[in-house]
Amino acid sequence: DGGITQSPKYLFRKEGQNVTLSCEQNLNHDAMYWYRQDPGQGLRLIYYSQIVNDFQKGDIAEGYSVSREKKESFPLTVTSAQKNPTAFYLCASRDRGDYNEKLFFGSGTQLSVL
Amino acid sequence: GESVGLHLPTLSVQEGDNSIINCAYSNSASDYFIWYKQESGKGPQFIIDIRSNMDKRQGQRVTVLLNKTVKHLSLQIAATQPGDSAVYFCAENVSFKAAGNKLTFGGGTRVLVKP
Repeated sequence: DGGITQSPKYLFRKEGQNVTLSCEQNLNHDAMYWYRQDPGQGLRLIYYSQIVNDFQKGDIAEGYSVSREKKESFPLTVTSAQKNPTAFYLCASRDRGDYNEKLFFGSGTQLSVL
Repeated sequence: GESVGLHLPTLSVQEGDNSIINCAYSNSASDYFIWYKQESGKGPQFIIDIRSNMDKRQGQRVTVLLNKTVKHLSLQIAATQPGDSAVYFCAENVSFKAAGNKLTFGGGTRVLVKP
């Protein structure tokens, strides 16, 4: 089945620890995105990548880092600099092209602080 | 900055009735709009989209209406079913935007279907 796979579904972080959230897609999409969702809130863009080996900051990039070494993978690291990391993290992708605005989402990772 | 917002945070509807979810947007340059449905603990699922050269688009049991004059978007769900209980998000996009064709999401409306 084609789709976006996020892992793990639940993740716990200790204070001062960096954690990495995985996102893999087999849709052959060029662009990938990371969003943060707080309870009862909308989605806020953390980072996005339009092509391999390139990525840009979104609206709330502080305390996060990403890499895009492969087309199908876009891992997100939540660093110790992110003081309020508890949230639901969503990865998304879309096909290349100016009229391909529709995002396809993974099932999310819930990150909590111990 | 410009953003997309919603009028009602929670909508309670009787099973079988029609639901209407509203969304206001403020970026007059937006030319693409999309609705997503998100069930608890899951990622958003695409429902329907519309471009600014249209004012109405229909899908299976859903209709999206776009009023560019007042910058208003709505999602209508016909014969609402228990499986329609979820949070619904609207999002806007400015195509060809140099910053990367990013969707901007509203805050969401929770729909509760009463049996």
